[in-house]
Amino acid sequence: EVQLVESGGGLVQPGGSLKLSCAASGFTFSGSAMHWVRQASGKGLEWVGRIRTKANNYATAYAASVKGRFTISRDDSKNTAYLQMNSLKTGDTAVYYCTSSIAYWGQGNLVTVSS
Amino acid sequence: QPVLTQSSSASASLGSSVKLTCTLSSGHSTYIIAWHQQQPGKAPRYLMKLEGSGSYNKGSGVPDRFSGSSSGADRYLTISNLQSEDEADYYCETWDSNTRVFGGGTRLTVL
Repeated sequence: EVQLVESGGGLVQPGGSLKLSCAASGFTFSGSAMHWVRQASGKGLEWVGRIRTKANNYATAYAASVKGRFTISRDDSKNTAYLQMNSLKTGDTAVYYCTSSIAYWGQGNLVTVSS
Repeated sequence: QPVLTQSSSASASLGSSVKLTCTLSSGHSTYIIAWHQQQPGKAPRYLMKLEGSGSYNKGSGVPDRFSGSSSGADRYLTISNLQSEDEADYYCETWDSNTRVFGGGTRLTVL
């Protein structure tokens, strides 16, 4: 059974940093691109970014709204993907989901940016 | 990049059928899409992948009541014999080599 478990969310002040983790199991993590998707309260889904596999040079891509502030990385030895969020804004407040493909979603992790 | 358009809301009676629409932007009418269901307070759940031909592949455990179809740039999700647990937000999604794009979602109310 595929499982994606996010952790690391919480309350952070504007301008601060936070790092989310996504622990994966039940599939070949090293062979899968990993994506992050977020959802502000009462709003729709917004793609944040992705990281490809080692075979694809761990290439990353980001939404314009987070480019230059967020960084996605992965540790294939730990079957874990990460989302490093810097220079956080109140508009980044959302539930953050990791996904391994279109078919698998984590349970989500709330990030609140507020003073 | 493609844009996906969905109606913001839909409603149908318990036991009836409903057809939700997702429209691909001009120049992207051949794109494959996915449908996801998000029940209140839960993470999204993958329902199916749907091609422009109308061929679809459902996720594990998705009831037979859920089906997909296509016509031109329109992609449809049909839910038959509506149940109370089908009341949820439904999102379509597509992708290219660099990004994933979501529609705005349709909130389905089961009357």
